[in-house]
Amino acid sequence: GENVEQHPSTLSVQEGDSAVIKCTYSDSASNYFPWYKQELGKGPQLIIDIRSNVGEKKDQRIAVTLNKTAKHFSLHITETQPEDSAVYFCAASVNTDKLIFGTGTRLQVFP
Amino acid sequence: DTAVSQTPKYLVTQMGNDKSIKCEQNLGHDTMYWYKQDSKKFLKIMFSYNNKELIINETVPNRFSPKSPDKAHLNLHINSLELGDSAVYFCASSQAWGHEAFFGQGTRLTVV
Repeated sequence: GENVEQHPSTLSVQEGDSAVIKCTYSDSASNYFPWYKQELGKGPQLIIDIRSNVGEKKDQRIAVTLNKTAKHFSLHITETQPEDSAVYFCAASVNTDKLIFGTGTRLQVFP
Repeated sequence: DTAVSQTPKYLVTQMGNDKSIKCEQNLGHDTMYWYKQDSKKFLKIMFSYNNKELIINETVPNRFSPKSPDKAHLNLHINSLELGDSAVYFCASSQAWGHEAFFGQGTRLTVV
């Protein structure tokens, strides 16, 4: 079955710097890759997603890139702000309703 | 208005008890899920329902039994609770595969 690895597990950046989180997946048939943000005491919330027919997608300060050959995808956050501090999860899915999540990255943005 | 709501938010119970967690979504979605998040924050799918029918059952002990009385509700009943069942359980819903999954706020279950 699908396996998703996520790195780093923790990431600390200064406000205004960029943050990059990387994920690799095992099933080459995976074709949907969402990213979720989880704030303390809340459920995960989708921040951006990408499908396998697209290499890059951007939404304001957030971008995701996908390399199907290498089977990895990354989340890029530019101009980080303290409110970006949260746990971020990548996930992968193969034409099913089953999302396989990565292990999470705790991002801390220091003012 | 809350899109996906779960009750209760916190649940503390003794080993061996039976408990239920309720979930309702008002988004008109066809698909609902239960996820378990352990103490290390690892999120794993347990069940998926589409139009009240079970689609995915991820090697979950049969002490866990989901029930979907209608498209908007997916409840989780757990029998004979064990210490290892302690976790945060999230309900979610989505329009279909490949669409955003909306998560509830979670139910923190503590078995003592």
